[in-house]
Amino acid sequence: GAVVSQHPSRVICKSGTSVKIECRSLDFQATTMFWYRQFPKQSLMLMATSNEGSKATYEQGVEKDKFLINHASLTLSTLTVTSAHPEDSSFYICSARAPGQGFQPQHFGDGTRLSIL
Amino acid sequence: SQQGEEDPQALSIQEGENATMNCSYKTSINNLQWYRQNSGRGLVHLILIRSNEREKHSGRLRVTLDTSKKSSSLLITASRAADTASYFCATEAGGTSYGKLTFGQGTILTVHP
Repeated sequence: GAVVSQHPSRVICKSGTSVKIECRSLDFQATTMFWYRQFPKQSLMLMATSNEGSKATYEQGVEKDKFLINHASLTLSTLTVTSAHPEDSSFYICSARAPGQGFQPQHFGDGTRLSIL
Repeated sequence: SQQGEEDPQALSIQEGENATMNCSYKTSINNLQWYRQNSGRGLVHLILIRSNEREKHSGRLRVTLDTSKKSSSLLITASRAADTASYFCATEAGGTSYGKLTFGQGTILTVHP
């Protein structure tokens, strides 16, 4: 079945560091990927839509200069949290939809837990 | 986008019992999906129901959708300890929002052996 791989699974770093998270579709091509953020014991909030070969589309209230998204190939999207601060600590999850006829479910990565000290 | 609501927020049952979770949403949808999340992990897709469907089954799962009430329910029958997880409903609108999911607040299900 369709698999989405996310790396790294956990990051602990100092305030001011920039952190890059990768999201790969392993056995299908994804022209669109999605990035979500989840605070502890809360739901997932869509941050942005990553579009292959073009600019990402950010949801209202998400700083595009803070959360840089690059979708350089049909199987890879990256989210870079620039100059991360403790309030950026969260669980970040990506998803992609496999191509096919009819409604296809989203396939999620295992998430990246980011902890900023 | 606005989040939907799920109830209960937490549900604790014994193995073998049925678990019912409810979800309400606020906007028109193309489909509604249910996902499962084990602690600290990504989401696993369980079932998708289209806006023109009223009920769907998959193994021990039964999902209903009432678009007039903008609500859905997930029933897990004969629950097992391995069903312990958080369950989220997610709605998907059509058009330019295709692919974007709006998640409910989730229900934490604990199944005691």
